[in-house]
Amino acid sequence: NAGVTQTPKFRILKIGQSMTLQCTQDMNHNYMYWYRQDPGMGLKLIYYSVGAGITDKGEVPNGYNVSRSTTEDFPLRLELAAPSQTSVYFCASSHDSGRAFFDADTQYFGPGTRLTVL
Amino acid sequence: KQEVTQIPAALSVPEGENLVLNCSFTDSAIYNLQWFRQDPGKGLTSLLLIQSSQREQTSGRLNASLDKSSGRSTLYIAASQPGDSATYLCAVREASGGSNYKLTFGKGTLLTVNP
Repeated sequence: NAGVTQTPKFRILKIGQSMTLQCTQDMNHNYMYWYRQDPGMGLKLIYYSVGAGITDKGEVPNGYNVSRSTTEDFPLRLELAAPSQTSVYFCASSHDSGRAFFDADTQYFGPGTRLTVL
Repeated sequence: KQEVTQIPAALSVPEGENLVLNCSFTDSAIYNLQWFRQDPGKGLTSLLLIQSSQREQTSGRLNASLDKSSGRSTLYIAASQPGDSATYLCAVREASGGSNYKLTFGKGTLLTVNP
């Protein structure tokens, strides 16, 4: 298993450009997440998905969009890139079992995409 | 709002030393707590996950404890090695209705183990 893969690894954007960060997992996990990590800060949740066709906002969703058409893929779309979106973006997945009280399993992370907006 | 604090922010120890990393959280209504390791320029690797009903988890030289009522967790690393050098992150999963899927992360402890 490759686990969680992300592309690209690095990207430089100009202000106002758009791009899609790709995330794929081959573990058949139902839950997927997008986080951003800024220097000296903890990770912040951008969007998450509990299954194909279902997405919801996290803590910092403004300026981003997601879709989940398949179990495996969870792309993150940046529209009109801004310098404030310069960050490292991590995709993660987990197999939350859905048992009572949301007994959640471990989250597995991709290697990250380092994005700079100039 | 849940807040997670990790102390110390950085720690440097000689090889072979036993050490403890601390994590505290403000809202004790959690489902689980997870410890991660992050190497420079890399993603996060899960080390240990403790469910809210558990008191501790062990994996090799690592032992994590959870005291939910006091809002604290510790990660104990025995006989530290230079390969343990990394940033260690603590994250809690909330139990409240609208935030079931949210992990709140601390800022991490940067550990350096000197040969």
